[in-house]
Amino acid sequence: ETGVTQTPRHLVMGMTNKKSLKCEQHLGHNAMYWYKQSAKKPLELMFVYNFKEQTENNSVPSRFSPECPNSSHLFLHLHTLQPEDSALYLCASSPSSGSRNEQYFGPGTRLTVT
Amino acid sequence: RKEVEQDPGPFNVPEGATVAFNCTYSNSASQSFFWYRQDCRKEPKLLMSVYSSGNEDGRFTAQLNRASQYISLLIRDSKLSDSATYLCVVNLPRSSYKLIFGSGTRLLVRP
Repeated sequence: ETGVTQTPRHLVMGMTNKKSLKCEQHLGHNAMYWYKQSAKKPLELMFVYNFKEQTENNSVPSRFSPECPNSSHLFLHLHTLQPEDSALYLCASSPSSGSRNEQYFGPGTRLTVT
Repeated sequence: RKEVEQDPGPFNVPEGATVAFNCTYSNSASQSFFWYRQDCRKEPKLLMSVYSSGNEDGRFTAQLNRASQYISLLIRDSKLSDSATYLCVVNLPRSSYKLIFGSGTRLLVRP
């Protein structure tokens, strides 16, 4: 299944590094999302983009910086992260219209901050 | 009270068994409901949307009880491949984009 792809799949970074996560969707959707999933916790919504415009920032620290250049691509820029930021970062997309909003997820980037 | 609550399990059942999960949600104005499944260290995958009239997809049946604010998922004739964590998902009222995920119910189907 290649509807939503994410790179890299695994990332280890130090607290002073800067890295970026990439997400691409091939479903013709107009809304894209970043979620964080920590061990034994439910998914937490981080950011929502609808037609390239950010519509939601769920009180995410500024060391996470999203970018959405078009409806198919979404980035998450990371800098000066903390060890507690280690988690699975999931990208999702959905059609922007209609109320059902079924979201489809990419495989995720497993991030470890050392 | 959590916005979406699920029994974490695990539910340990033999192949061929019927198993049911319930999920409760706190906001009566929620409009969209889903079940996702998540395999270990993988992404969540949409299993089915839950409609007011209830819906069935093969061995899976979803029901919505708005009065009691709960959603159920019934799996008949369990297969080994059904072993996974099942996530109950509800939208935030006034925001069709914002979904709230439950912590999940773990199912183990044994031979």
